Amino acid sequence: SQQGEEDPQALSIQEGENATMNCSYKTSINNLQWYRQNSGRGLVHLILIRSNEREKHSGRLRVTLDTSKKSSSLLITASRAADTASYFCATLRETSGSRLTFGEGTQLTVNP
Amino acid sequence: DTGVSQNPRHKITKRGQNVTFRCDPISEHNRLYWYRQTLGQGPEFLTYFQNEAQLEKSRLLSDRFSAERPKGSFSTLEIQRTEQGDSAMYLCASSPMTFRGRGRDTQYFGPGTRLTVL
Repeated sequence: SQQGEEDPQALSIQEGENATMNCSYKTSINNLQWYRQNSGRGLVHLILIRSNEREKHSGRLRVTLDTSKKSSSLLITASRAADTASYFCATLRETSGSRLTFGEGTQLTVNP
Repeated sequence: DTGVSQNPRHKITKRGQNVTFRCDPISEHNRLYWYRQTLGQGPEFLTYFQNEAQLEKSRLLSDRFSAERPKGSFSTLEIQRTEQGDSAMYLCASSPMTFRGRGRDTQYFGPGTRLTVL
C-alpha cells in the first residue's frame, strides 16, 4: 500500500510561476526523497532530505520536512515548460529496510 | 556511467504466457531493486538484492513471480502464467554501498519495461 499522499493530484501553472507540491506520510522515516517522472519513463532522483533536516535546497528546488506533521513540500521556483512531469515523494521508513514507499504523485503541467 | 538499463522496453503477451525482464544496474552498485507501477500510481516495491542475495520480498510478489541476480550483476524478473492484472511498468533501480557497508539511500532508476497482457 502507498504510504504517501500527495496534494494536489494535478497542478497547471504558467512558465515562470512557482509550483508547490505537498506530501504526507504515516510512519516514522529515515529520509524523504522526491523523484520526477516524465511521461512513460523511469524516475529521476531530485533531492533527499533526512529526518533530522528541516529544509534543503538544490538549484530551483526547495524541500521542507515537518516530521511532527509527517509532511513535506517541494517548491519549484521559476518553472519552465521542461518541468512538466509527474513528481513523487518517497519515504525510506525506519523499519522497512531499503524499500522506498512512494506516494501517488502530482502531475505538474507548465504552460509556455 | 551508463545508467541502469532494462530490456525489453515493451512487452506484449497473451494471458497465460511466461515473460522475463532483464535489468543491468550501474556497474559499481551492489543493491538492485524491482518496483511495479500501474497507470496513475506511484511505484510499488517488489523485491531487492544485495549482491546476489535476495534480502526482501513484498507480499505483491506472488508465487508466479521470481527474481534472480545470479552473479550479483544483472537481474531477471520472471512472471509465469501472466494475468491481465500483471499489466504495468516494471522498474528496476540500483544503489551503491558505502565503504563501511551501509547502503546509500538514493536509488537510480532504469527506463522500465512496460508489460501489456492481452
